[in-house]
Amino acid sequence: KAGVTQTPRYLIKTRGQQVTLSCSPISGHRSVSWYQQTPGQGLQFLFEYFSETQRNKGNFPGRFSGRQFSNSRSEMNVSTLELGDSALYLCASSSGTENSPLHFGNGTRLTVT
Amino acid sequence: AQTVTQSQPEMSVQEAETVTLSCTYDTSESDYYLFWYKQPPSRQMILVIRQEAYKQQNATENRFSVNFQKAAKSFSLKISDSQLGDAAMYFCAYRRRTGTASKLTFGTGTRLQVTL
Repeated sequence: KAGVTQTPRYLIKTRGQQVTLSCSPISGHRSVSWYQQTPGQGLQFLFEYFSETQRNKGNFPGRFSGRQFSNSRSEMNVSTLELGDSALYLCASSSGTENSPLHFGNGTRLTVT
Repeated sequence: AQTVTQSQPEMSVQEAETVTLSCTYDTSESDYYLFWYKQPPSRQMILVIRQEAYKQQNATENRFSVNFQKAAKSFSLKISDSQLGDAAMYFCAYRRRTGTASKLTFGTGTRLQVTL
């Protein structure tokens, strides 16, 4: 079974631009969640999507948004990029039930210059 | 709000030896899950071991075991017979039992070095 796939692996953007990151979950998984990892703030929960609906959201500004498609693939969008958005963005998928473990992808490294 | 604290930024262990990574957490919930994740240079977070708070028995997965002290809110990871492949960042994480299954609260991590 293929694991969680995140594309691209690396991304360099300029302040003020917007960016879209993609995540393909493990086949059969209906839940996709996103995390931001930075040296200063550590790992922080962004949001979770389940069956195309946002089920939970962390404490991030509205510039961070996401969506999930009918095939469970998810995209995360960050608009009006700031230098502080430079981070590793990790996606995780699960079946979505309470007891199900999270399976993480290799992340997308975003650098904002 | 729940918090997870890992007070050891770095640890070092010799190959074949045993090492213990510390984690404490704070929560007002009585039922929850605790996890240890490993993040090697490949960046992928890999689940090492999971503990359910209502279970008194400490979880064990091969060379990995935990010491779960619910009253003390402590959750340490013991790695026995350390191998070079164990070198990585280790994160302790907390999750409420009810509510979303995907919202984990992570500690700041411990970098484990394994030496020959």
